[in-house]
Parts: sequence; C-alpha cells; structure tokens
Amino acid sequence: GENVEQHPSTLSVQEGDSAVIKCTYSDSASNYFPWYKQELGKRPQLIIDIRSNVGEKKDQRIAVTLNKTAKHFSLHITETQPEDSAVYFCAAPAGDDKIIFGKGTRLHILP
Amino acid sequence: NAGVMQNPRHLVRRRGQEARLRCSPMKGHSHVYWYRQLPEEGLKFMVYLQKENIIDESGMPKERFSAEFPKEGPSILRIQQVVRGDSAAYFCASSPRTVHTGELFFGEGSRLTVL
Repeated sequence: GENVEQHPSTLSVQEGDSAVIKCTYSDSASNYFPWYKQELGKRPQLIIDIRSNVGEKKDQRIAVTLNKTAKHFSLHITETQPEDSAVYFCAAPAGDDKIIFGKGTRLHILP
Repeated sequence: NAGVMQNPRHLVRRRGQEARLRCSPMKGHSHVYWYRQLPEEGLKFMVYLQKENIIDESGMPKERFSAEFPKEGPSILRIQQVVRGDSAAYFCASSPRTVHTGELFFGEGSRLTVL
C-alpha cells in the first residue's frame, strides 16, 4: 500500500548548525510534497511544500529538495535556532483523495 | 476568516461510553480530513469527507467508528463504546481543494482520554 518513510526519528543539532530530514514515498503518481511543523501540544502547520515540476524550493532558512526518480524528498534547515525545536512531518498524496504522513522527526536544537 | 475549529479540546470518557468530536472547517473549504495521533507518534489518516459524502474511510476502524459531514453543521467523528486504546489526539483538517493541489489547515485537535 501507499507509504511514507521518514528518517531520522530524532535529531539533535547544535544551535547554528544545519538539520536535514529525509523522506521516501511509494506512490509514483504523487505530485505534491508538504512539510509540517508541530510544536508541543499544538496543531501541525505547513512550513514549506514542493510540487513535482521543480527540484528545489527555498524559503529563508528552510529548503526542500525533491528527487522524483528516487522518490525521495528532504527538508533542510540552516542556521538552526531554538524555536526550530519541534516535530517535523513530511507528507505525500496517496491515491486521489488522501494525504499520508511520515512518522515524524523530533528535532532538538542544543544550546 | 476563522481557522478550523474543533471541540471539545479535551474529552474524558469511561470505557463503554460514546465520544463525539466536532470539526468546523474553514469558510469555503469543502474537504475535511480526520487524523489520529497517538502520543509520540505520527498522524494516521482516518477518513476523508466532502459535504454529505464519505470519500475515503480506509483508515478508520470498521467497528465503533463513524464520521459524517452533513450539508449543514460541522463534521462529526463518533466513537462508540470507547476503549483505552482510543485515547489519542484527533485532528481535523480542511482544504479548499484536493490533496494534490494545496495545504491542509489543521484544527487544534481534540484530546480524548478513556479511563
């Protein structure tokens, strides 16, 4: 069935360093790949997304890259700050009518 | 434009009781999705609805769980005869378009605790 795998499950980086989270998907028809951030006790919120007609998208300190051939996409956060500490979820459409999420990456920014 | 509204935010039920969770999508959004999140875990798809129609309920247990999105009023996720394993956060999300074209807007979630 459709699946989205996300790695790592936990990531600790020093403040100011970069963080990279990777996801793979199984549905080759998927054409939209969002990333959501969820702070403790809060709702998930979209931080960046990419469509299959581009390979990379950047928004200030965050960027997403997509490799459709390999069916994987990655989130890159540069110059990490304490407020980047959260759980990050990748997602991809599965079939025509639902979007499924990876299991999440808990990012810790160390002082 | 108010965001996705969910209520109750917290619900406590004893085993065997019913839980009813409500979700009002953002204005103009006709697509509603329900997800379940267990502590320290990801968002598991349950059901996708449009007005008066269940489009995909492949992630929802066939017994005890049901969902609706009537022509008027909020979407409702209903869990009958709750068990301890139903304790989780239930998030509703809405979208003006299909999942291939845009963002899901999430509510703050309803946290169900089954005693």
